[in-house]
Amino acid sequence: DAGVIQSPRHEVTEMGQEVTLRCKPISGHNSLFWYRQTMMRGLELLIYFNNNVPIDDSGMPEDRFSAKMPNASFSTLKIQPSEPRDSAVYFCASSLWQGEAFFGQGTRLTVV
Amino acid sequence: AQSVTQLGSHVSVSEGALVLLRCNYSSSVPPYLFWYVQYPNQGLQLLLKYTSAATLVKGINGFEAEFKKSETSFHLTKPSAHMSDAAEYFCAVSPTGTASKLTFGTGTRLQVTL
Repeated sequence: DAGVIQSPRHEVTEMGQEVTLRCKPISGHNSLFWYRQTMMRGLELLIYFNNNVPIDDSGMPEDRFSAKMPNASFSTLKIQPSEPRDSAVYFCASSLWQGEAFFGQGTRLTVV
Repeated sequence: AQSVTQLGSHVSVSEGALVLLRCNYSSSVPPYLFWYVQYPNQGLQLLLKYTSAATLVKGINGFEAEFKKSETSFHLTKPSAHMSDAAEYFCAVSPTGTASKLTFGTGTRLQVTL
C-alpha cells in the first residue's frame, strides 16, 4: 500500500483565497483524522471521521474551516477565506477503528 | 482531559551515548501512550506504543519505553545513539481502547553529534 497520500505537498496562497487540502487514506481504513502542526501550538487534532461520518470536530478552529469525507477513499479540508495565521503543516492520518494511526507526509500551507 | 508533557524541547547527545527523552502524562484513567518520530519534511511514524499490556515496550530502531504508573511517566530510551536518530520525537496519549485519537506533546528535537 502506498500509505496515506496528501496533496498538494506545498501550497502558497494569498489571504482571502479558498484553499482545499486533499487526503487519500489507506485502503480498508475506516477512521480518518486531520491534524495541524504549528510552532506555537504543536500538533492539534482538528476533526476525525469514522466510516465517513464526522465524529468530533471540536478542534476545528473556526467556521472558515470545513472538512468532508464523501467516500471511504477521499477527504478534503477546506479553508475559506484563508488567513496568514492558517499557515501550518496539515496532516491527514488514517486507521482501522481504534487501531494505530498512519500519517501522510503533510501539506505545508503558506498564506501570504 | 488527557495530556502529555515533554521535558526539554531540545536534547543533544553524542553518537554512541544513551538517549533519554522524557514524557509525563496526565489522565484520570489508564491511557494508551505512544512515541512518534518525525524526520524533516516527513509525516509522523510510530516508534512504539503502550496499550496496558507489558510495561516495558520495545519499538523500532532500538528504542524502548517504560510505563511507570507511580511516576506517571513514559520515557523513551535508546542505549546507543546513531546519527540517523536525529529527528523530532513526540509523545502522545489517547483514550483507552483507541490508538488513533491522539493528543500530542510539544515535541523534543534530538540532535546527535560526533
